[in-house]
Amino acid sequence: DTEVTQTPKHLVMGMTNKKSLKCEQHMGHRAMYWYKQKAKKPPELMFVYSYEKLSINESVPSRFSPECPNSSLLNLHLHALQPEDSALYLCASSQESASFYEQYFGPGTRLTVT
Amino acid sequence: AQRVTQPEKLLSVFKGAPVELKCNYSYSGSPELFWYVQYSRQRLQLLLRHISRESIKGFTADLNKGETSFHLKKPFAQEEDSAMYYCALRGFMYSGGGADGLTFGKGTHLIIQP
Repeated sequence: DTEVTQTPKHLVMGMTNKKSLKCEQHMGHRAMYWYKQKAKKPPELMFVYSYEKLSINESVPSRFSPECPNSSLLNLHLHALQPEDSALYLCASSQESASFYEQYFGPGTRLTVT
Repeated sequence: AQRVTQPEKLLSVFKGAPVELKCNYSYSGSPELFWYVQYSRQRLQLLLRHISRESIKGFTADLNKGETSFHLKKPFAQEEDSAMYYCALRGFMYSGGGADGLTFGKGTHLIIQP
């Protein structure tokens, strides 16, 4: 299996809801990432996990809460989001977190906050 | 701070013509540079990276540290090259080892006309 999968593909949630995005890879990669991509903009890094430990949080609001339960799974828990949080959320993984390793991207979850 | 600049939002060329997508970067250390491509309705995928010095789908890119550039070139464009192209940089921003995620340029939408 050489793909990063993300579920759900689409998610619509209200501002008071709690939901989670899921990302999975079975390539044995030890680094995983969350990016946010607004329409017609490039992806922006949110979080980096290396060996299941959070190594980078790019000053993301606490209403986004990442979790890495094991080396294959990465979750993003969402609570009390704002309409401006509507975006495509991309997960990626790489063999290690060193800079020269390729990052493999998932197809993304398109989130709409109403 | 690290930054990637892609000056052209949109580039339209005829099939068979040469293509050059510009990318300039700003980074105080030794960065790793990448080109990612996103075809219509497909996920973001790596096209090439400077460390490999390879040609993928006829594309090449040379890192010019003096000019802090990593332009993407192809001598003869093909219609299937139409896509969104992102230049990306990855460097060691944080102490404690390990690299951070990718910093993307704003992207260039390449359209190859028949």
